[in-house]
Amino acid sequence: GAGVSQSPSNKVTEKGKDVELRCDPISGHTALYWYRQRLGQGLEFLIYFQGNSAPDKSGLPSDRFSAERTGESVSTLTIQRTQQEDSAVYLCASSLGRGNSYEQYFGPGTRLTVT
Amino acid sequence: AQTVTQSQPEMSVQEAETVTLSCTYDTSESDYYLFWYKQPPSRQMILVIRQEAYKQQNATENRFSVNFQKAAKSFSLKISDSQLGDAAMYFCAYRSADSADGLTFGKGTHLIIQP
Repeated sequence: GAGVSQSPSNKVTEKGKDVELRCDPISGHTALYWYRQRLGQGLEFLIYFQGNSAPDKSGLPSDRFSAERTGESVSTLTIQRTQQEDSAVYLCASSLGRGNSYEQYFGPGTRLTVT
Repeated sequence: AQTVTQSQPEMSVQEAETVTLSCTYDTSESDYYLFWYKQPPSRQMILVIRQEAYKQQNATENRFSVNFQKAAKSFSLKISDSQLGDAAMYFCAYRSADSADGLTFGKGTHLIIQP
């Protein structure tokens, strides 16, 4: 079956603009995760959804970041008034459930470049 | 907060040889999971191997095995009979047993396979 997909693959935006990143999880996966990967760094956890609920938003880097999920499908990560430090690859993952017995399947990421 | 440290930014090995990637972590918890992920240039994270902290037996997956030393908080990955397709970034990751949050990643090790 289809894996996790993300769009766009690459996004170049001017500082101060808003961007919206999309994640389509594997069908039937109730848990969805967003990560940020800065150049030369490991992944930094941002937020997770169980269904369309995000119990803990404290991992989001600033109030310019927000995320939504429609039911148990598509999720969008929105960054308002982008800054150069937001440049990174944003990865999405989904899993059947939220426990450790469920493998997280990752998408190919969106590379965001803020000029 | 938990931290994961990978002290080898880059490793190189001859094809068919064995290589070991190091990972240490810091936690006050007794129950947790450890992971090794592979990230090829396509950016898509692929789960290589997983270890439950309560299990004393080291996990193995074909040519991949781990050396889990709980007291030393060490979790190294051994790749036997290295193949050209093993070339990638390798990330060590941690997750609490009772957490629904995302994974905590190290900064990664770039593995080069010499033909």
